[in-house]
Amino acid sequence: ETGVTQTPRHLVMGMTNKKSLKCEQHLGHNAMYWYKQSAKKPLELMFVYSLEERVENNSVPSRFSPECPNSSHLFLHLHTLQPEDSALYLCASSQETTPGVNSPLHFGNGTRLTVT
Amino acid sequence: GQQVMQIPQYQHVQEGEDFTTYCNSSTTLSNIQWYKQRPGGHPVFLIQLVKSGEVKKQKRLTFQFGEAKKNSSLHITATQTTDVGTYFCAATGNQFYFGTGTSLTVIP
Repeated sequence: ETGVTQTPRHLVMGMTNKKSLKCEQHLGHNAMYWYKQSAKKPLELMFVYSLEERVENNSVPSRFSPECPNSSHLFLHLHTLQPEDSALYLCASSQETTPGVNSPLHFGNGTRLTVT
Repeated sequence: GQQVMQIPQYQHVQEGEDFTTYCNSSTTLSNIQWYKQRPGGHPVFLIQLVKSGEVKKQKRLTFQFGEAKKNSSLHITATQTTDVGTYFCAATGNQFYFGTGTSLTVIP
């Protein structure tokens, strides 16, 4: 049972649609992350939020828009996506805002996104 | 950003055989973490290595951090079908840098 819950598990959307991915963590962690996982590529960090403030944005296109209303919830708003954006989107959280020692990532089950 | 290379990309072994995956960095790492992702699942934290030359064991899994803290390995002794999945190393700096992963298939 993961302490990080993501919805929906699967999403199919057209290129003109607007949709949102939701993530909720029940671990009392201070940092939350969005990762993109594509086939044959390393996990790509998209956004990092620390204590509800965005601290990292890895040159992600503006068609992806994150939102962190509180330390337990994280959203990823999607708008006019491209077929190459199809991937598994993983949310994660960690106790410390600085990753690493004593602060591993706890991942959700992910949202499998298909853009048609 | 920091690059972490992981080899091999794929490994097929007969059940009972050993398996090793290697993680290499061109720069010295502060620490390294290992994760396992089962097919259709999400990455799950396995262990963290911090000290130079550190060796940690979890049942049949042995994790090692190189003396120069530039490489790490995960060795599984006598693989079982439950070991199937992709194993990732992750180096930490100001963020997590994941390796490409090694996908392990265990043939019964």
